[in-house]
Amino acid sequence: AQSVTQLDSHVSVSEGTPVLLRCNYSSSYSPSLFWYVQHPNKGLQLLLKYTSAATLVKGINGFEAEFKKSETSFHLTKPSAHMSDAAEYFCVVSDQGGSYIPTFGRGTSLIVHP
Amino acid sequence: ETGVTQTPRHLVMGMTNKKSLKCEQHLGHNAMYWYKQSAKKPLELMFVYNFKEQTENNSVPSRFSPECPNSSHLFLHLHTLQPEDSALYLCASSQEDLNSPLHFGNGTRLTVT
Repeated sequence: AQSVTQLDSHVSVSEGTPVLLRCNYSSSYSPSLFWYVQHPNKGLQLLLKYTSAATLVKGINGFEAEFKKSETSFHLTKPSAHMSDAAEYFCVVSDQGGSYIPTFGRGTSLIVHP
Repeated sequence: ETGVTQTPRHLVMGMTNKKSLKCEQHLGHNAMYWYKQSAKKPLELMFVYNFKEQTENNSVPSRFSPECPNSSHLFLHLHTLQPEDSALYLCASSQEDLNSPLHFGNGTRLTVT
């Protein structure tokens, strides 16, 4: 069975400092992994995805994530936070065991201070 | 513009009302989903349709009734709801492919009074 754990429910950073949102997954197969962002009163938007190609994946708005199989991790990073990055972030896994239906993490709220 | 349109954006209903939420996608996807998002709770998958056939029903109470007349439209019919059903209801679509990301609408904010 597939599962995903977002290690922090809240992350607080200052504008201009690096962002790290942590995600660990569990999968019996070769997983596909995704990060989504949700701004207030909006739907979720895809930031980036890993589908067994390059392990370092670049997404929109300067975010990137690295797939580390040995650590079963897929952490999301950004070199310099912007106020507009304040949102909820979801790590998502899907694999053949769960058919195509993805499993969502509980979300991490990113707070950006001026 | 997300490619997935949900209406209405906001809905207030009493516990004895009947209402419907609508979702429409023109992305050519063959799978559609309803999710419930409540404050302080994880995203909950409610229903999944693939090529108009329901493939998932996550023990959702019968006061929620989905309908998928074709691969582009999805409805959620609501009746005799409870205040704890107040939440953001999100519709999504995708290809039936584990590499295919979900495309979400902006949701319907439902308040049950």
